[in-house]
Amino acid sequence: NAGVTQTPKFQVLKTGQSMTLQCAQDMNHEYMSWYRQDPGMGLRLIHYSVGAGITDQGEVPNGYNVSRSTTEDFPLRLLSAAPSQTSVYFCASRLDRASYEQYFGPGTRLTVT
Amino acid sequence: AQSVTQPDIHITVSEGASLELRCNYSYGATPYLFWYVQSPGQGLQLLLKYFSGDTLVQGIKGFEAEFKRSQSSFNLRKPSVHWSDAAEYFCAVRMDTGRRALTFGSGTRLQVQP
Repeated sequence: NAGVTQTPKFQVLKTGQSMTLQCAQDMNHEYMSWYRQDPGMGLRLIHYSVGAGITDQGEVPNGYNVSRSTTEDFPLRLLSAAPSQTSVYFCASRLDRASYEQYFGPGTRLTVT
Repeated sequence: AQSVTQPDIHITVSEGASLELRCNYSYGATPYLFWYVQSPGQGLQLLLKYFSGDTLVQGIKGFEAEFKRSQSSFNLRKPSVHWSDAAEYFCAVRMDTGRRALTFGSGTRLQVQP
């Protein structure tokens, strides 16, 4: 198993550009989530999904969209990037809502200029 | 709403010394508690978790943590630190209802001196 994979590893955007951060898992996990990590603030939940076709907002959803058309993939879209979205983004998955073991991807470092 | 506080932003210990990283949480019921470690440029790895039962839990890499309900704490300990333990450590809490997502503390960066 590859676990949780994220692409790209690094990205630089200009303000106003759009892009999609990719996340995939091959463990047949129902529950997937996106976090952003900023210095001194830990990880904050952006969006999450409890299964294909079902998504919901986390703590900091503004400026981000998600969709979950398959169990494996959970892309995160920035429609109009802003400097405040400069961060490291982590995707995570676990078997289902009740399970405890959560697996994290390696992260995507995004800079918006 | 649940919250997690890690009061120490940065800790430096000598190799071979003992370590304690503090974590306090705010939550109405007994939470599910976790400690994660993040090495530079890496994702997060689960060190240990507490759900119920014995309040002293053992994890990987020689770490342990003790749940103290009266103090709303879940401190991480290691009796003898190795240079490879230098990393950032995150405490997290999870509710057993609703979105059941992890809420993280702000992290403690551990530096190990030779």
